[in-house]
Amino acid sequence: AQSVTQLDSQVPVFEEAPVELRCNYSSSVSVYLFWYVQYPNQGLQLLLKYLSGSTLVKGINGFEAEFNKSQTSFHLRKPSVHISDTAEYFCAVRVSGGATNKLIFGTGTLLAVQP
Amino acid sequence: DAGVIQSPRHEVTEMGQEVTLRCKPISGHNSLFWYRQTMMRGLELLIYFNNNVPIDDSGMPEDRFSAKMPNASFSTLKIQPSEPRDSAVYFCASSNNGVEQFFGPGTRLTVL
Repeated sequence: AQSVTQLDSQVPVFEEAPVELRCNYSSSVSVYLFWYVQYPNQGLQLLLKYLSGSTLVKGINGFEAEFNKSQTSFHLRKPSVHISDTAEYFCAVRVSGGATNKLIFGTGTLLAVQP
Repeated sequence: DAGVIQSPRHEVTEMGQEVTLRCKPISGHNSLFWYRQTMMRGLELLIYFNNNVPIDDSGMPEDRFSAKMPNASFSTLKIQPSEPRDSAVYFCASSNNGVEQFFGPGTRLTVL
């Protein structure tokens, strides 16, 4: 079975500073990986996804993530954050090519950007 | 495209009442998912459908919960009878390729 671990429940950071949100997964088979963002009182929005190919994936709003198979990680990074990036960020995993469409979500990381 | 549409956006009801949440997926999408989000348990998949057929309902908490998808453009999640512990935000999501899921704005349910 697949699982996702987001060790940091909250990450405080100052505006214009870089940030990294950590995500580790466990799976015995190949997976697809995703980062979603949830702004207050809204649904989840896809930031970026890794399906195959280049391990460095670029998404919306200046975010990027790198798939590291040996470390089973998919950390999310942004070189300079804005106040508007304050939100909850969820990492998710899905078995690639499998019959199931289920996404397994991590517990989320609250990114709190301070002026 | 209007995106995934959920109604109502907010629902307040009393314990024991029946609650019905509604979802209209994005046109052309063939998979639909119901999630529940709480502070304690995070985001949980309740059930998902492919081509209107329930595929995996292992996340449905108990018999009080039921979901239907009578056609490709409509799904309901019903709780009967409702209990205070059902209070949560319920999200519907749809997908057309089984990979990327598009989420609706959610229904915030409060059971008193």
